[in-house]
Amino acid sequence: DAKTTQPNSMESNEEEPVHLPCNHSTISGTDYIHWYRQLPSQGPEYVIHGLTSNVNNRMASLAIAEDRKSSTLILHRATLRDAAVYYCILRVAGANNLFFGTGTRLTVIP
Amino acid sequence: DTEVTQTPKHLVMGMTNKKSLKCEQHMGHRAMYWYKQKAKKPPELMFVYSYEKLSINESVPSRFSPECPNSSLLNLHLHALQPEDSALYLCASSQSGTRANSPLHFGNGTRLTVT
Repeated sequence: DAKTTQPNSMESNEEEPVHLPCNHSTISGTDYIHWYRQLPSQGPEYVIHGLTSNVNNRMASLAIAEDRKSSTLILHRATLRDAAVYYCILRVAGANNLFFGTGTRLTVIP
Repeated sequence: DTEVTQTPKHLVMGMTNKKSLKCEQHMGHRAMYWYKQKAKKPPELMFVYSYEKLSINESVPSRFSPECPNSSLLNLHLHALQPEDSALYLCASSQSGTRANSPLHFGNGTRLTVT
């Protein structure tokens, strides 16, 4: 399995930006970086994915290091509804699976 | 609300019961997945179906039996479960099972309790 490493937990103040880091030093050239989040009592929710270039969508931004060995999920203004476990996952090309790591539990402080 | 619907939301069953979990999606996705999630742990992959054929079984005990009747439906048949099988069972789908830029869409799961 392609491995990722994330901090176990992070805190952020409400309405401030949040930068969630992920290391994936064993990434292969065709692996995509996916981010999911899981709110309490819900299934995981897709957030964003990217290959090499930085990506933006309505939920977040994904900044990918030039060597692709790390990435950062950016929430531009944290709200209480963003409190969740955030998972950084490598989706391996041609492999019919998606394995979750331990994720980062984000606490948003009012 | 999600586009992947799982029923029932909650299920309590005895160790001798037979029950089934159901999952449905109408997004035209061709890959469907079952995951198991214990409390405060990440989801663990159990099975993957691609184009209605079982492509991955992550060494799951035979008391769990998946079935994909058509491209929109995925079932998980349960028989002779143990209390340690109590968990949240999540279904997911993706447009493609093998394309790495194809995200998964998850349902909100069935909370299973085995007594």
